[in-house]
Amino acid sequence: DARVTQTPRDKVTEMGQEVTMRCQPILGHNTVFWYRQTMKQGLELLAYFRNRAPLDDSGMPKDRFSAEMPDATLATLKIQPSEPRDSAVYFCASGRGETQYFGPGTRLLVL
Amino acid sequence: GIQVEQSPPDLILQEGANSTLRCNFSDSVNNLQWFHQNPWGQLINLFYIPSGTKQNGRLSATTVATERYSLLYISSSQTTDSGVYFCAVAAYFNYGGSQGNLIFGKGTKLSVKP
Repeated sequence: DARVTQTPRDKVTEMGQEVTMRCQPILGHNTVFWYRQTMKQGLELLAYFRNRAPLDDSGMPKDRFSAEMPDATLATLKIQPSEPRDSAVYFCASGRGETQYFGPGTRLLVL
Repeated sequence: GIQVEQSPPDLILQEGANSTLRCNFSDSVNNLQWFHQNPWGQLINLFYIPSGTKQNGRLSATTVATERYSLLYISSSQTTDSGVYFCAVAAYFNYGGSQGNLIFGKGTKLSVKP
């Protein structure tokens, strides 16, 4: 049963620290998405890759966030420096065709 | 950008009841998906349905693209149906497929009581 995996599942850090979240998309999927979910804003798209190339990262604060796909089996989302307002659940999703499959999320708390 | 409105925001049902969730969108779309987020936070894709009708067990969905709405029907609800149901749409065709920037609605929170 193929699944999107994300690590870590939970992260507590202090303001100013670097945070790196990792995602392993489902093998064979050629699109990868990063979303952020908060109570206030709901689900927001941060970045979107197709065949490892970034297609849209307009939803991402550029000064502190960065997203990469060093290879087809790994996507990363980094926050440096982290701030309390970054506290949220970060989801990775992958797809091939119309449907997106979500990972379990990384719950981030920045103190 | 496209606006997505879901109604009702909250819904409480007795087990066994039927329900209809609605999603209105403000512009033409070529991708519409329904998701269920369970109480543990996991997001599950229910339907890809930019138009027409689909059924999967007790769930079915209909999208009337010309009138810019979609409906999700849940029949004979069970406690395991509890959670938040999201509608998400995109109007952006990428080369090689219909994946695009999905815009999510705020969701309908469903609570099914035993």
